[in-house]
Amino acid sequence: KAGVTQTPRYLIKTRGQQVTLSCSPISGHRSVSWYQQTPGQGLQFLFEYFSETQRNKGNFPGRFSGRQFSNSRSEMNVSTLELGDSALYLCASSPDGRSGNTIYFGEGSWLTVV
Amino acid sequence: QKEVEQDPGPLSVPEGAIVSLNCTYSNSAFQYFMWYRQYSRKGPELLMYTYSSGNKEDGRFTAQVDKSSKYISLFIRDSQPSDSATYLCASNPFNAGGTSYGKLTFGQGTILTVHP
Repeated sequence: KAGVTQTPRYLIKTRGQQVTLSCSPISGHRSVSWYQQTPGQGLQFLFEYFSETQRNKGNFPGRFSGRQFSNSRSEMNVSTLELGDSALYLCASSPDGRSGNTIYFGEGSWLTVV
Repeated sequence: QKEVEQDPGPLSVPEGAIVSLNCTYSNSAFQYFMWYRQYSRKGPELLMYTYSSGNKEDGRFTAQVDKSSKYISLFIRDSQPSDSATYLCASNPFNAGGTSYGKLTFGQGTILTVHP
């Protein structure tokens, strides 16, 4: 069974640009969550999508957005990139986003903003 | 104050040692407690999962939750160099409706090195 797939794995962007990251959840999983991981702040929750609807959102500015498609694949977008957005962006999938023992993470997308 | 506090270490132990990793939490609504292992430049891997108070054992790993003191522990017996990684505790109430869906609250992570 394939795991959570995130693309691209590594990317470098310039301040002011925007970036789109993609996540394909485990087959059958309908909940996709996104996290930002930095050395200073650790893992922080960005938002969660279920059946194409955002159900939950963390404390991030509006520059961070996401969406989910009918096949449960999800994308997140960061606009007007800042140096502080450099981080590992992780996608997690679960059947319904309501069970602690079934949340699985992808390998992440490493974003560097220069 | 963070909802989940974890000593970042680093922690260095010899091979074969018993490792104790700990977290404390402040949110009384937390019901589900997870431990994730994260190797360098990889995503977190679900290691152990516990609901409410009690112990859970899986091979060399034991997870322990004491809700009265809001304390979460992970014990690793007979530690191996391959256990060298960052260990993250996480929690979620899950039964708190919309604000809990898909959201795990993580500790800072403890960096563990097991040397031969």
